Amino acid sequence: GDSVTQMEGPVTLSEEAFLTINCTYTATGYPSLFWYVQYPGEGLQLLLKATKADDKGSNKGFEATYRKETTSFHLEKGSVQVSDSAVYFCALKVGNEKLTFGTGTRLTIIP
Amino acid sequence: EAGVAQSPRYKIIEKRQSVAFWCNPISGHATLYWYQQILGQGPKLLIQFQNNGVVDDSQLPKDRFSAERLKGVDSTLKIQPAKLEDSAVYLCASSLGTGKGETQYFGPGTRLLVL
Repeated sequence: GDSVTQMEGPVTLSEEAFLTINCTYTATGYPSLFWYVQYPGEGLQLLLKATKADDKGSNKGFEATYRKETTSFHLEKGSVQVSDSAVYFCALKVGNEKLTFGTGTRLTIIP
Repeated sequence: EAGVAQSPRYKIIEKRQSVAFWCNPISGHATLYWYQQILGQGPKLLIQFQNNGVVDDSQLPKDRFSAERLKGVDSTLKIQPAKLEDSAVYLCASSLGTGKGETQYFGPGTRLLVL
């Protein structure tokens, strides 16, 4: 079946550090890929997405590129802020089927 | 635009009791989802509605869980009787449709603790 494997957390970084959260996937079809973020006490919010190979999704300084050859969709940000502290979920969707989520990566940014 | 609304935000019950959660999706969204998120895991789809019809309930424990969306707008999810392993956050989400790149919008969730 379809699955998403995320970098295990928690991840702790200093403010202005470079961030990478790894995500790889296995899918029976040609998926769309998503990153969702969950801030403390809030629901999941879409951070960015990509629907075909080599597409780059970007939002709020975060980027991720759909790499079909490595089945990956790693999340990156050049300079993190304290306000980026949250749980990040990688997810995939094949056609009209359900979203399949990874286990989430908790990120804490210290000033 | 108002987001997805859920109530209650928190619920504590004893095992074998029943509980119900309510969700009001974003206006005009035809598709509604209920997810279960156990601590330390990603959300898992329980049931998906398209208008008031069920599209996918393959992972819904039907012996104890039920859900309805009678008028194709708001929805309720019920657990009867609850078990300890049902302790989780129950997330409701909605989307305009079900296309490949369709964005799902999530509510704040209901945190359930079964004692």
